[in-house]
Amino acid sequence: GENVEQHPSTLSVQEGDSAVIKCTYSDSASNYFPWYKQELGKGPQLIIDIRSNVGEKKDQRIAVTLNKTAKHFSLHITETQPEDSAVYFCAAGLGSNYQLIWGAGTKLIIKP
Amino acid sequence: DGGITQSPKYLFRKEGQNVTLSCEQNLNHDAMYWYRQDPGQGLRLIYYSQIVNDFQKGDIAEGYSVSREKKESFPLTVTSAQKNPTAFYLCASSIPGLAGEQYFGPGTRLTVT
Repeated sequence: GENVEQHPSTLSVQEGDSAVIKCTYSDSASNYFPWYKQELGKGPQLIIDIRSNVGEKKDQRIAVTLNKTAKHFSLHITETQPEDSAVYFCAAGLGSNYQLIWGAGTKLIIKP
Repeated sequence: DGGITQSPKYLFRKEGQNVTLSCEQNLNHDAMYWYRQDPGQGLRLIYYSQIVNDFQKGDIAEGYSVSREKKESFPLTVTSAQKNPTAFYLCASSIPGLAGEQYFGPGTRLTVT
């Protein structure tokens, strides 16, 4: 069935450095790719998303890139700050389907 | 302010009891979802509803039931048939028709002993 693999499961970076989280999806018909940030004890919050007609999207310190041929997409966070510490989830969705297929999550730790 | 509310934030029940988790939204979204999250794991879909009086099973519906009598409300009942009910439960909503952003509530942490 449809599947989204997310790596790494834990990522520790020095404050100020960049962080990259990668996801691979199985269904080539997927056309919507959001990234969510979940802080401890809270619900996930959308931080950036991209649709299949775009290869890259940026919003200040965060960016998402999409490679449809290889069926993978990545989250890039530059100039990391302590408040970036959280669990990040990727997901993939189809235009005609209400469901999102979720990755397993990446725990991002920003070291001071 | 528009958003999704879930209550209560923490819920404790004895094994063998049914329990109902509340989810209310004032975003005027037609679609609503229930997810289960276990420690260190991703989100697993329990049930979803595209419109009032209609709902579909997700990947792990066994031991759960839902109703969708009003657009704003999508309560989840965890029945005694759910073998491992202790988890963090998340409710979400979205605009239907095109896969898009799902808005999440703050979650309810259910502990069954």
